[in-house]
Amino acid sequence: QVQLVQSGTEVKEPGASVKVSCKASGYTFTAYAMHWVRQAPGQRLEWMGWINSGNANPTYSQKFQGRATITWDTSATTVYMELSSLTSEDTAVYYCARDISIIQGVFEYWGQGTLLIVSS
Amino acid sequence: DIVMTQSPDSLAVSLGERATINCKSSQSVLYSSNNKNFLAWFQQKPGQPPKLLIYWASARESGVPDRFSGSGSATDFTLTINNVQADDVAVYYCQQYYSVFYTFGQGTKLEIK
Repeated sequence: QVQLVQSGTEVKEPGASVKVSCKASGYTFTAYAMHWVRQAPGQRLEWMGWINSGNANPTYSQKFQGRATITWDTSATTVYMELSSLTSEDTAVYYCARDISIIQGVFEYWGQGTLLIVSS
Repeated sequence: DIVMTQSPDSLAVSLGERATINCKSSQSVLYSSNNKNFLAWFQQKPGQPPKLLIYWASARESGVPDRFSGSGSATDFTLTINNVQADDVAVYYCQQYYSVFYTFGQGTKLEIK
């Protein structure tokens, strides 16, 4: 069965960077796109970007362009999302979500979420 | 970006009754070449990630009870939950994937009356 297992809670100071991992199993890793979605307290879900399974090229929401970096390690079947120049506004739960196909934008499977707390 | 607006923000329904949640997009999410609406619905329970219920506006994800149904086209969509159960208490989100900059509605909280 498809499983996405994310790394644990992170606490960072403002200005720092964080790298969250998402270990995938139960399917052909390179056959599906992977997305990152975040949810700040009391806020709606916010799509951050995705990585293309065909050529490993990432695409980012304009809001996160230049500050987020999505990569993957096919040998480890793991996707990473690094976010830099953190502020308190980045305090949120971060989810990886596997697409329903190569790239469709339908988030079929989700990781359990990684809580990021940004505080001095 | 396409703005998704849901109504109501919250609703309370008696067990066994019907719940109706609306979602409106700021522009059409109907792709004319294949006549498909690029609209999905999710259910999120406290402390859990969202769960895909419906995609293509009306296609039910595998394993989702047929009490859940989606309808609508272009800019106006509806999620209907028939025979509401206690387990349906959650926040429901719509999401468009017509534009590659995917966006979600603000969520509708369903409670039991």
